Amino acid sequence: KQEVTQIPAALSVPEGENLVLNCSFTDSAIYNLQWFRQDPGKGLTSLLLIQSSQREQTSGRLNASLDKSSGRSTLYIAASQPGDSATYLCAVKADSWGKLQFGAGTQVVVTP
Amino acid sequence: KAGVTQTPRYLIKTRGQQVTLSCSPISGHRSVSWYQQTPGQGLQFLFEYFSETQRNKGNFPGRFSGRQFSNSRSEMNVSTLELGDSALYLCASTLGGGYTFGSGTRLTVV
Repeated sequence: KQEVTQIPAALSVPEGENLVLNCSFTDSAIYNLQWFRQDPGKGLTSLLLIQSSQREQTSGRLNASLDKSSGRSTLYIAASQPGDSATYLCAVKADSWGKLQFGAGTQVVVTP
Repeated sequence: KAGVTQTPRYLIKTRGQQVTLSCSPISGHRSVSWYQQTPGQGLQFLFEYFSETQRNKGNFPGRFSGRQFSNSRSEMNVSTLELGDSALYLCASTLGGGYTFGSGTRLTVV
């Protein structure tokens, strides 16, 4: 059974510092991995999608890496801003028609 | 391009009642999934529909049901509501790759 873990559960950094968010999964046989952002009381906003054959994806200040063999993905956010404050969730998908298995999320606070 | 639309945004219901939530996927997306989010359990998969057929089901009691229409719009129904059903219900659609989520329906059972 796939288990997805995100450590730490919460993180506070000063503005301008780089953010490093971790996601680990127990079964390396994944189809893809997706990173989301959630603001309080809102839905999920997709940030990056990494296919199982890819090692990383980049979008603006965001970069996500994937190491299937070690069961890990890392989301890097460069030069953090107060607007980056949110909960970040990773989710893995076992096959093309599988459900998403979510981690519990990392709550990030960026202080001005 | 319109995103995933969920209605209503907020609902307050009494224990024992039933409720129906609606989800309109992104145009062209035929797969619709439903998730329940609570502070204690996080995000849990309810079910997935593709071309009007339930393709996957999570570990929820039979009080939770859903359906999908020919235009890919989906509804989920919860009967005999319990206090523990209070949650944010999220719908997502996909073409088979990444998922796009709606803003959710906040259900409060009193």
